[in-house]
Amino acid sequence: EPEVTQTPSHQVTQMGQEVILRCVPISNHLYFYWYRQILGQKVEFLVSFYNNEISEKSEIFDDQFSVERPDGSNFTLKIRSTKLEDSAMYFCASTAHSNYGYTFGSGTRLTVV
Amino acid sequence: AQSVTQLGSHVSVSEGALVLLRCNYSSSVPPYLFWYVQYPNQGLQLLLKYTSAATLVKGINGFEAEFKKSETSFHLTKPSAHMSDAAEYFCAVSDRSGGSNYKLTFGKGTLLTVNP
Repeated sequence: EPEVTQTPSHQVTQMGQEVILRCVPISNHLYFYWYRQILGQKVEFLVSFYNNEISEKSEIFDDQFSVERPDGSNFTLKIRSTKLEDSAMYFCASTAHSNYGYTFGSGTRLTVV
Repeated sequence: AQSVTQLGSHVSVSEGALVLLRCNYSSSVPPYLFWYVQYPNQGLQLLLKYTSAATLVKGINGFEAEFKKSETSFHLTKPSAHMSDAAEYFCAVSDRSGGSNYKLTFGKGTLLTVNP
């Protein structure tokens, strides 16, 4: 069964450093998303991406965040200057259509120290 | 704005007992509804979905859920719990109007514990 692949599975970074989280969505999917889950809390929407542009972003997704689909297969989330409160599990997801349900990746656990 | 309420952050059942995880949604139009399961240190796996076909939806691992418009509910059930069902379960809603978006709004999750 097709999978959404995320790398790395775990990243530790120092506060103020830039991080790039990588995702390879399912190849025929058209809608791409990033979500995050702070430990013990619910899964929160960050951003959706369609037709090579952001279609919606949450208030969490401030100027420190950016997304890119550089080569038609990868989908990246960049955090320019990480803060302690960015520590969370970040999930990438993709779907071909809303009623198909999303396929989520296994997540990247980001720890900011 | 849509919202999802999962009653009970923690549900504990005995092996072989009925599992009932509650989910209520708030939406101006009947949305698409989903249940996801998250095993420890893993990602989110789709259990089942309601997208306006049959109101009783069957999913993987013996789970099913019933969409009740009058109650704005989408409760998840399984007749007989198994030890391997221990996980966190998330109810989620997607706006049908979607456009180019289809983002999911998640509930806070219910941790299911299965006792031997």
